[in-house]
Amino acid sequence: EVQLLESGGGLVQPGGSLRLSCTASGFTFSSYVMSWVRQAPGKGLEWVSAMSGSGGGTYHADSVKGRFTISRDNSKNMVYLQMNSLRAEDTAIYYCAKGQTFSDLDYWGQGTLVTVSS
Amino acid sequence: DVVMTQSPLSLPVTLGQPASISCRSSQSLLYSDGTTYLNWFQQRPGQSPRRLIYKVSNRDSGVPDRFSGSGSGTDFTLKISRVEAEDVGVYYCMQGTHWPPYTFGQGTKLEIK
Repeated sequence: EVQLLESGGGLVQPGGSLRLSCTASGFTFSSYVMSWVRQAPGKGLEWVSAMSGSGGGTYHADSVKGRFTISRDNSKNMVYLQMNSLRAEDTAIYYCAKGQTFSDLDYWGQGTLVTVSS
Repeated sequence: DVVMTQSPLSLPVTLGQPASISCRSSQSLLYSDGTTYLNWFQQRPGQSPRRLIYKVSNRDSGVPDRFSGSGSGTDFTLKISRVEAEDVGVYYCMQGTHWPPYTFGQGTKLEIK
C-alpha cells in the first residue's frame, strides 16, 4: 500500500525557515517524481516544487523560486522542502505527491500545516 | 502559464441525479507525444486530494464507474452519472502537459441539494 507521510509543519515567524519532510513507502521511491503542492486555508491547489526520481531535475513555482528548495534522499525514501524567507502568504497545508512522470500526481499524502505569523 | 477555468464553481445536485463539471484550458493540452495530460481530482471535506481520472478519460483503481472523463484540446468534462452522498467535496482539474508549472482549476464544490 502506498503511503506518504508529511511532517515538519508548524508556526513560524515571517522571514523564518522550516524544513518539511515526506516519508514514502509501498512503491519503488527512486522511480517516481516527487512533488509538493500547497493549499492555503479555504483556497485551491497550487503546485510548489517537483523533483525527478534520480534527483537530477528540479523545478519550482515562480512564487517560491529562490526561497524554497526541494531535495530527496532515495536511500531513506524521503523528500524534503526547505523553506526560507517565509511570508504570510506561504501559510498553507503542504502535500507531498508522487507521479510516474512530471505530467502527473497520482497519490497524495495527508498534508502538514505551515502557518507564517508573528 | 496555462490557465485552467472550471464551471460551475458551485454545483448543488439531488441524490441520484447526474452532474457535470467543465474544465477549459487557455491552450491545447495535446502533447507532442500524442497524449493529453488532463487529470481530475476529488477532495472530500477534511481530506487530501485523490486522483479520479488521468489522461482525460482513464479511471483510477477503485474509482466507481459512475465517474467518467471526456474531452480534447482545450475542453474537458467530468461527469457523475448518479450522484451519491459520498461524492460531496471539491473537484479540481489539472494539466500536466505544459509544465512547469502544473496548473489547477479553481475547484468546483459539489453539494447535495
